[in-house]
Amino acid sequence: DQQVKQNSPSLSVQEGRISILNCDYTNSMFDYFLWYKKYPAEGPTFLISISSIKDKNEDGRFTVFLNKSAKHLSLHIVPSQPGDSAVYFCAAQAQTGANNLFFGTGTRLTVIP
Amino acid sequence: ETGVTQTPRHLVMGMTNKKSLKCEQHLGHNAMYWYKQSAKKPLELMFVYSLEERVENNSVPSRFSPECPNSSHLFLHLHTLQPEDSALYLCASAWGVDSPLHFGNGTRLTVT
Repeated sequence: DQQVKQNSPSLSVQEGRISILNCDYTNSMFDYFLWYKKYPAEGPTFLISISSIKDKNEDGRFTVFLNKSAKHLSLHIVPSQPGDSAVYFCAAQAQTGANNLFFGTGTRLTVIP
Repeated sequence: ETGVTQTPRHLVMGMTNKKSLKCEQHLGHNAMYWYKQSAKKPLELMFVYSLEERVENNSVPSRFSPECPNSSHLFLHLHTLQPEDSALYLCASAWGVDSPLHFGNGTRLTVT
């Protein structure tokens, strides 16, 4: 039973426009959320995170929004660049401990020049 | 060399072979992890070591055997694997078990 779901396996966006990647979770005990980015033939790299005490966290072109009541988070990339083309994984953590980190299946973003 | 390095990058092995995957981190982290990524599935945590002690073993079959001789090195010893074990095996490290993970580039394993 997947506790973190990324229902869109792929997304295509024009360069310069906004990319919105979505993630839903089922466990209300999750209190820390992360996004990882993965290029082909490379391991995932940490991108941005948000604690459940916030509803928004921004880092340059990347913003993560958290809607706890809907158990939904999203990653906004503005403006999108061709170098952003990658697979994006959402992850969620309950309390503490590495065994409490759950990943989604990823969304492949393609930014079209 | 910086980051998390995994070797080999690709491995093809028969079901009766014994092989090992190696991971080395140059970040001074004190926690190391093995994850498995199968096609169209979420990353699955296999093992966690914190300060060289195994703190998590997620019901992984005994044909996978981890070893952490020091805080910079992690091995995954493989024997008598099944074709369904074919996957991307990712090593990661972190400052403790609650910090973001730093992943290696993975070993693509094919069991024939």
